[in-house]
Amino acid sequence: LAKTTQPISMDSYEGQEVNITCSHNNIATNDYITWYQQFPSQGPRFIIQGYKTKVTNEVASLFIPADRKSSTLSLPRVSLSDTAVYYCLVGPLYSGGGADGLTFGKGTHLIIQP
Amino acid sequence: DAGITQSPRYKITETGRQVTLMCHQTWSHSYMFWYRQDLGHGLRLIYYSAAADITDKGEVPDGYVVSRSKTENFPLTLESATRSQTSVYFCASSGLSSSTGLGANVLTFGAGSRLTVL
Repeated sequence: LAKTTQPISMDSYEGQEVNITCSHNNIATNDYITWYQQFPSQGPRFIIQGYKTKVTNEVASLFIPADRKSSTLSLPRVSLSDTAVYYCLVGPLYSGGGADGLTFGKGTHLIIQP
Repeated sequence: DAGITQSPRYKITETGRQVTLMCHQTWSHSYMFWYRQDLGHGLRLIYYSAAADITDKGEVPDGYVVSRSKTENFPLTLESATRSQTSVYFCASSGLSSSTGLGANVLTFGAGSRLTVL
């Protein structure tokens, strides 16, 4: 089971680009990297998922280096509403069950200031 | 309504009482999960289910019971509630779904059930 390490907290300002890095040194060949966002009093919400190189959607980009031992979630031009906890998860697709990839940890508390 | 719903959203009970938290999803997702979230601990997996009649323990299963007789429902029961089980409980589901557009290993969460045990 690949463990992940993220900063406990980060802060930035509106309009800035924010990069949150997650370390996963023991990532397995069949593991995917998935990021979630959680606002207070709500359940986590899927942001983005990737396996290698770069993935981009309307919300964020995910950069994964060739060795896949880390990944970086990039949020462009953040606003106050991006203040939330961000979780990085690493695990396989559910081909045979198991709890791999279901450990959320404590996440990164991102605070955006005006 | 489509989606994943939890009930009750808020519950106050007393030590020793039995409490059942309900979770219902309309996507026919194969997998369902129960997490608890406490300050300082993040989200911790209690139980999960790969399909109807198949359940398995997560990180913190003690004191909880689950069942899954139907694909769409995954109730969580605290047979004898304790103060340490005061928490916010989140249900989630995952599976290939054209409705959500997400892959099989991406979880969609309910709004949560806040449980207080006095």
